[in-house]
Amino acid sequence: EDKVVQSPLSLVVHEGDTVTLNCSYEVTNFRSLLWYKQEKKAPTFLFMLTSSGIEKKSGRLSSILDKKELFSILNITATQTGDSAVYLCAVGVDSNYQLIWGAGTKLIIKP
Amino acid sequence: NAGVTQTPKFRVLKTGQSMTLLCAQDMNHEYMYWYRQDPGMGLRLIHYSVGEGTTAKGEVPDGYNVSRLKKQNFLLGLESAAPSQTSVYFCASRELAKNIQYFGAGTRLSVL
Repeated sequence: EDKVVQSPLSLVVHEGDTVTLNCSYEVTNFRSLLWYKQEKKAPTFLFMLTSSGIEKKSGRLSSILDKKELFSILNITATQTGDSAVYLCAVGVDSNYQLIWGAGTKLIIKP
Repeated sequence: NAGVTQTPKFRVLKTGQSMTLLCAQDMNHEYMYWYRQDPGMGLRLIHYSVGEGTTAKGEVPDGYNVSRLKKQNFLLGLESAAPSQTSVYFCASRELAKNIQYFGAGTRLSVL
């Protein structure tokens, strides 16, 4: 059975800290891995990764994929209170219209 | 550019009542999805559609029906609401070539 596991489930840090969120997967016919940020509303797209070792970066957020070890990390440097959210990881597979979702990591940034 | 629009945003139902949630997208996307999200359980797929006139079951389809009569609209129906259907419902759409799904703002439904 295909599955996506995120860790930790929740994390509390102070403003300015750096955090690393993890997403591991076991799927057949991997196609892509996606990260989303969800505040009190809809998930919003952050990154899509398809190749190992190539870092995607947007401001203080970055992500990388390891297809050999079957995981991805999302890094956030110099965290701000606005980074508080649930971060969702999802995996797309070939020949399937669906995404397989992890349960999310709830990140709380304390001022 | 509206993207994905869901109506209504909030609704309270009594057990046994019926209702329809509407999702509209203006991005000409082929695929559309309905999810429910409950605390600690992430997103669970209810039904999805790969094109106008087609629908398919997801992970948790029981108690729900869907229709995709027009490409831009995807309707989710609850025929006889139950308290277990209290949840936040999200609609999403994606284009043919990419896995990126774009979400609506959600509908918060309470069934009493």
